[in-house]
Amino acid sequence: GENVEQHPSTLSVQEGDSAVIKCTYSDSASNYFPWYKQELGKRPQLIIDIRSNVGEKKDQRIAVTLNKTAKHFSLHITETQPEDSAVYFCAASRLNTGFQKLVFGTGTRLLVSP
Amino acid sequence: DTAVSQTPKYLVTQMGNDKSIKCEQNLGHDTMYWYKQDSKKFLKIMFSYNNKELIINETVPNRFSPKSPDKAHLNLHINSLELGDSAVYFCASSQDRGIGFFGPGTRLTVL
Repeated sequence: GENVEQHPSTLSVQEGDSAVIKCTYSDSASNYFPWYKQELGKRPQLIIDIRSNVGEKKDQRIAVTLNKTAKHFSLHITETQPEDSAVYFCAASRLNTGFQKLVFGTGTRLLVSP
Repeated sequence: DTAVSQTPKYLVTQMGNDKSIKCEQNLGHDTMYWYKQDSKKFLKIMFSYNNKELIINETVPNRFSPKSPDKAHLNLHINSLELGDSAVYFCASSQDRGIGFFGPGTRLTVL
């Protein structure tokens, strides 16, 4: 089955810096890669996703890149703000199973200091 | 206009007790899930129901029994609670394979 590894487990940056979180997956048939943000005491919420037919997707200050050959994908947050502080999860699945068979990474705790 | 709701939000109970968590979604989705988030924040799927039928049952002790009376509700009953069951349990729903929406979570503490 699919296995998703996520690094780093914690990441501390200064406000305004960029943050990068990296994930690798094992199942070459996986083709759907969402990212979730979970604030303290709250539910995970989808922030961006990418499908394997594109290499990069951007939404304002966040972007995701995908390297299918190397089986890794990354979340990039630019101009970080204190409200970006949260735990971020990557996930992977086959698009024909989508959310039904999502396998999550272990999470990255991002701390943005003012 | 809550999309996915769960009750209770907090549940504190003694070892050996039986407890239930309820979940409801008003999105009209066909598929509902239970996820467990342990103390290390690891999110793992437990069960998935599609139109009231069980479609995913990960390796979960049979003390955990999900029940779906209709496609808008998925409840989780846990028998003989153990210390290791302490976690946050998230209900979620999706329209088949589409984007999933999580409920607010139920923090279960077993003493």
